Amino acid sequence: DIVMTQSPDSLAVSLGERATINCKSSQSVLYSSNNKNYLAWYQQKPGQPPKLLIYWASTRESGVPDRFSGSGSGTDFTLTISSLQAEDVSLYYCQQYYTTPYTFGQGTKLEIK
Amino acid sequence: QVQLQESGPGLVKPSGTLSLTCAVSGGSISNTNWWTWVRQPPGKGLEWVGEIYHSGSTNYNPSLQSRVTISVDISKNQFSLTLTSVTAADTAVYYCARGNYFDCWGQGTLVTVSS
Repeated sequence: DIVMTQSPDSLAVSLGERATINCKSSQSVLYSSNNKNYLAWYQQKPGQPPKLLIYWASTRESGVPDRFSGSGSGTDFTLTISSLQAEDVSLYYCQQYYTTPYTFGQGTKLEIK
Repeated sequence: QVQLQESGPGLVKPSGTLSLTCAVSGGSISNTNWWTWVRQPPGKGLEWVGEIYHSGSTNYNPSLQSRVTISVDISKNQFSLTLTSVTAADTAVYYCARGNYFDCWGQGTLVTVSS
């Protein structure tokens, strides 16, 4: 199985400041034939299902604010929130869909400082 | 807009069988998509259970392979999860979702394994 490791486990950022969450996969999730990284990011609030934010490592899902961006390739990826808003307080997960079993990171809890 | 809704018993006895259904509305289950089950134990992270294509092809998490079956009913536009020989470790919120990256989710249903 591909192991996904997120860092940090929790993060406190001031409103309006940048938040950065990292995700590392135990093997590359870059498919060479199409040059796509099979990596997605989700936001989950208490009592709700996860919400897709980013797929193909950097493509923003329709309706997701542009303060959310994804970057990285191969085994190292980053989710960046450029200017933290109060509604961004949440759990964030990365997920690889390069191969089954699809696997998630352990989650990063984002709070307001 | 596609919507997913899980249904099934909220309580299952140890050694029993967990059975859930996901109803798909607002679109056909026969569209080009995989349909997935993900679970989340209370207070813990997300675990992919398995997926099915409308043709009936399946992939399962090896950690559950011997106990899990996912099936599809195109006529009812729904797919189902069966998990046998359950224990307390199978207590979780079970979500159905669409795709390989999951762009559409059901609200989830809590299944508790307890006598």
